[in-house]
Amino acid sequence: ETGVTQSPTHLIKTRGQQVTLRCSSQSGHNTVSWYQQALGQGPQFIFQYYREEENGRGNFPPRFSGLQFPNYSSELNVNALELDDSALYLCASSSPGLAGTNTGELFFGEGSRLTVL
Amino acid sequence: GQQLNQSPQSMFIQEGEDVSMNCTSSSIFNTWLWYKQEPGEGPVLLIALYKAGELTSNGRLTAQFGITRKDSFLNISASIPSDVGIYFCAGLDYNQGGKLIFGQGTELSVKP
Repeated sequence: ETGVTQSPTHLIKTRGQQVTLRCSSQSGHNTVSWYQQALGQGPQFIFQYYREEENGRGNFPPRFSGLQFPNYSSELNVNALELDDSALYLCASSSPGLAGTNTGELFFGEGSRLTVL
Repeated sequence: GQQLNQSPQSMFIQEGEDVSMNCTSSSIFNTWLWYKQEPGEGPVLLIALYKAGELTSNGRLTAQFGITRKDSFLNISASIPSDVGIYFCAGLDYNQGGKLIFGQGTELSVKP
């Protein structure tokens, strides 16, 4: 059984650029969520995907977007990067609870550390 | 918005000591969870609590879901060096498909 894998592990971008982060969910998990973790802070919910549709979104602007594919892998795209977007981006997969909600029992990847200069 | 206040922010203890940390919220949660994060890793689930008043153990770890549903605590008994890391409480918000609201974390250092 493979766990959650994310790529790339580290990347550096400049302001205004666009970035795509990728995530493969744990085997058997069809729900994927993305979190942003600034240095010294707890993770903050960006959005969640279930059956290839976004079914929850946190307080992030539209330039944060995502996709989930039929094999349950997922992408996080961020356009028009800002300095404050520098953070660790965590992907988590889970088995869904009732009606596609999650139970809170998330399996996190190691994250992609994004630095915006 | 919802916020979780976690305390203490950091702890420096001697190996073998017991540790206690807690988390309070201005909102009610129906599920509380505790995660641990080590450097270069994502958070790992330690304990999940689903019922007010519930007390659950996982080895040397014990966590309780407060009766008011606005707080939770985590105890670690007889700490060992591998307990080092950042411990996060999280409340599950069933809106938004079920998102976790995380506390700011308690950083634990254990001196051998």
